[in-house]
Amino acid sequence: DADVTQTPRNRITKTGKRIMLECSQTKGHDRMYWYRQDPGLGLQLIYYSFDVKDINKGEISDGYSVSRQAQAKFSLSLESAIPNQTALYFCATSDPGQGASLFFGQGTRLTVV
Amino acid sequence: TQLLEQSPQFLSIQEGENLTVYCNSSSVFSSLQWYRQEPGEGPVLLVTVVTGGEVKKLKRLTFQFGDARKDSSLHITAAQPGDTGLYLCAGPYNQAGTALIFGKGTTLSVSS
Repeated sequence: DADVTQTPRNRITKTGKRIMLECSQTKGHDRMYWYRQDPGLGLQLIYYSFDVKDINKGEISDGYSVSRQAQAKFSLSLESAIPNQTALYFCATSDPGQGASLFFGQGTRLTVV
Repeated sequence: TQLLEQSPQFLSIQEGENLTVYCNSSSVFSSLQWYRQEPGEGPVLLVTVVTGGEVKKLKRLTFQFGDARKDSSLHITAAQPGDTGLYLCAGPYNQAGTALIFGKGTTLSVSS
């Protein structure tokens, strides 16, 4: 089983719908992250969390919200999806400290029509 | 917020050639990381550099961190088709170093 699991792997939704992307991890890491990847734009940081009570905005948090339900679970919500939120979304985890590696899930491909 | 610029954006070469990709910023970074991403997968860490002027080698890959810690390079010797992928540099999001931001990446294609 993967250390960082994202569900669903693929999702098509309609404009205006609320959608939740889920991430769970078995690595025992406190730190979890959500990134968005668009062709030619690399990875952009949406939100990050260093423990259950800690939530921080990243580079592009507008239109998104997150919930850290437990150390192992971090979900990303789009309250009212719009077409330009069509992208590949990655969850990641890490140990604390600079230089610590990010461990990524396999991604969720979201299409908003 | 600090920014990372990568160049070139695309690189298509023949097996056996050498190549260098670059990661530059106007800001000083306490550390930089390089990741490689294959289609359908998440990025995987290749190396972390933390000291200005540092050089690290990983088989045919050589990573260098600039003396001023504002830039880094990745050099691949005798590229192979298995090196094909997206190469991303990453550094701390802010002075607290609490999360990573990424450059836009270099897409490398090595043909045999």
